[in-house]
Amino acid sequence: EAQVTQNPRYLITVTGKKLTVTCSQNMNHEYMSWYRQDPGLGLRQIYYSMNVEVTDKGDVPEGYKVSRKEKRNFPLILESPSPNQTSLYFCASSSFGGGRGDTQYFGPGTRLTVL
Amino acid sequence: GDSVTQMEGPVTLSEEAFLTINCTYTATGYPSLFWYVQYPGEGLQLLLKATKADDKGSNKGFEATYRKETTSFHLEKGSVQVSDSAVYFCALRYYNTDKLIFGTGTRLQVFP
Repeated sequence: EAQVTQNPRYLITVTGKKLTVTCSQNMNHEYMSWYRQDPGLGLRQIYYSMNVEVTDKGDVPEGYKVSRKEKRNFPLILESPSPNQTSLYFCASSSFGGGRGDTQYFGPGTRLTVL
Repeated sequence: GDSVTQMEGPVTLSEEAFLTINCTYTATGYPSLFWYVQYPGEGLQLLLKATKADDKGSNKGFEATYRKETTSFHLEKGSVQVSDSAVYFCALRYYNTDKLIFGTGTRLQVFP
């Protein structure tokens, strides 16, 4: 089954404690992306990657890092989380350049609370 | 910059009522347009899409037509069900990038 998986699904942590949210896809997609979802703001892109070792900032990259060492994995790293990073996070993947109608597949989401 | 504007929610309807959720966009080029749906506790699923002007996307009884002259992509369904209760997101994407630009989402609540 084609899917994007994220772990953990729920996480409560404290300010300053480094954490990593993992994302993995089994569709051999080149493109992967992280979004955060906040009430009244919709989804905003944090970082994206067009292929292995190719990453770039999205609209709200401050306080986040990513890496793309393997095609299937795209972890999101918060080196020093702060309360304003409390949010619902989604990973997504698609075939880059696959055409105007190519679908992005989303993971189930990770709800992060930073105290 | 490019943006998507959706009507504020929640939209509250009785079962079998007609649904319209408005979506308009601002874009410098010719994006593809999408509607995604988020059921409670789940991720986003693609509901329908349209890739050029006058295209109509449809799925599960939902429809939306890409209107370039009014820069709109309104979502409609003739008869909603309780199971349609969810948050609906309108989004645009350009051909040369896979970045999606989302609206703020509209919550639909359907009561029996």
